[in-house]
Amino acid sequence: EVQLVESGGGLVQPGRSLKLSCAASGFTYSNYVMAWVRQAPTKGLEWVASISTGGGNTYYRDSVKGRFTISRDNAKNTLYLQIDSLRSEDTATYYCAKADVYYGLLPYWYFDFWGPGTMVTVSS
Amino acid sequence: DIQMTQSPASLSASLGETVSIECLASEGISNDLAWYQQKSGKSPQLLIYAASRLQDGVPSRFSGSGSGTRYSLKISGMQPEDEADYFCQQSYKYPLTFGSGTKLEIK
Repeated sequence: EVQLVESGGGLVQPGRSLKLSCAASGFTYSNYVMAWVRQAPTKGLEWVASISTGGGNTYYRDSVKGRFTISRDNAKNTLYLQIDSLRSEDTATYYCAKADVYYGLLPYWYFDFWGPGTMVTVSS
Repeated sequence: DIQMTQSPASLSASLGETVSIECLASEGISNDLAWYQQKSGKSPQLLIYAASRLQDGVPSRFSGSGSGTRYSLKISGMQPEDEADYFCQQSYKYPLTFGSGTKLEIK
């Protein structure tokens, strides 16, 4: 059974840093692209970052470039998100998501499993 | 960035009713579209990928269709457990983008 469990969230002052973790199990972690998606309170879903299977390729939304760093440890089956210079607009539940691909006419990507999320609140 | 315009923002349906939710992409996304269901206080769950392929374990009353820039999710016969928020998402180009969501309630 696929399991993704996030940790590391909490109440943090603006400008401080936080590192989120996502422990993965139930699948061959090193074979899958992984991502972070966040959801501000009562708002919609917002993709944050993705990382390739080996970790050599990373992708970020513009609003977090330079402040967020996605990484992975395939030996520990763990995904990370380092968040620096936190802002109030970063307040959200952060979900770890496993990506998969269907090879049709094109490769079609989607998130087939999500963790329960970890809440990050940025406030003084 | 590809904008995903989702409609309606909310709707209510009677049990057994068929409902449709639409997503309009700001440019063609070649069917690289997924639909997710999110129940209150829970994480999203995949329903449909590649615009029309049903994820394993998802009831067959859910279906997806569309092409180019227009996509839709249909629920054929509303059930109590279908009360949730629904989101579309494109993976055609980075940054990956989601629709703003549709809140579906039972009438």
